[in-house]
Amino acid sequence: NAGVTQTPKFQVLKTGQSMTLQCAQDMNHEYMSWYRQDPGMGLRLIHYSVGAGITDQGEVPNGYNVSRSTTEDFPLRLLSAAPSQTSVYFCASSGTVDNEQFFGPGTRLTVL
Amino acid sequence: AQKITQTQPGMFVQEKEAVTLDCTYDTSDPSYGLFWYKQPSSGEMIFLIYQGSYDQQNATEGRYSLNFQKARKSANLVISASQLGDSAMYFCAMRVLSYNTDKLIFGTGTRLQVFP
Repeated sequence: NAGVTQTPKFQVLKTGQSMTLQCAQDMNHEYMSWYRQDPGMGLRLIHYSVGAGITDQGEVPNGYNVSRSTTEDFPLRLLSAAPSQTSVYFCASSGTVDNEQFFGPGTRLTVL
Repeated sequence: AQKITQTQPGMFVQEKEAVTLDCTYDTSDPSYGLFWYKQPSSGEMIFLIYQGSYDQQNATEGRYSLNFQKARKSANLVISASQLGDSAMYFCAMRVLSYNTDKLIFGTGTRLQVFP
């Protein structure tokens, strides 16, 4: 099993550009989520999904879109990048509520 | 509102000593889970330990134990016999599952430094 994979590992964007961060898992997990990590802020939940076709907002959803067309994939779209979206982005997945979250390696995004 | 609070931005401990990292949580949901994760300087998130809200006994995993005090809404992590490799950021997290939501929220973390 590859676990949770994220691409790209690094990305630099200009203000106003759009892009999609990819996340995939091969563990057949129903629950997937996206977090951003900023210094001193911990991890903040952006969007999450409890299964294919079902998504919901987390703490900081503005400026981001998600969709879940398959169990395996949960892409995060930045609609119009802003410098405030410079951060490290983590995707995670898990099975039942008492299971650990498996994290991807993260994507370091810089918006100029 | 659901919230995780970690009040210790940084902690120091000498090698082989025990250390407690504090975590308090706030939720009105009766069913929730509490997690601790370790993030070394390399950046990956490493799961350490889990405690369910209905668990009667404190969770333990090797050198890690979770001091769960439900009435006080605290879930402190105790690391026994600290090692130099324990130096990292530590995050407390809470997963809340109710009829219309399933969220995992994190605290701001505690940076632990272990010195010889």
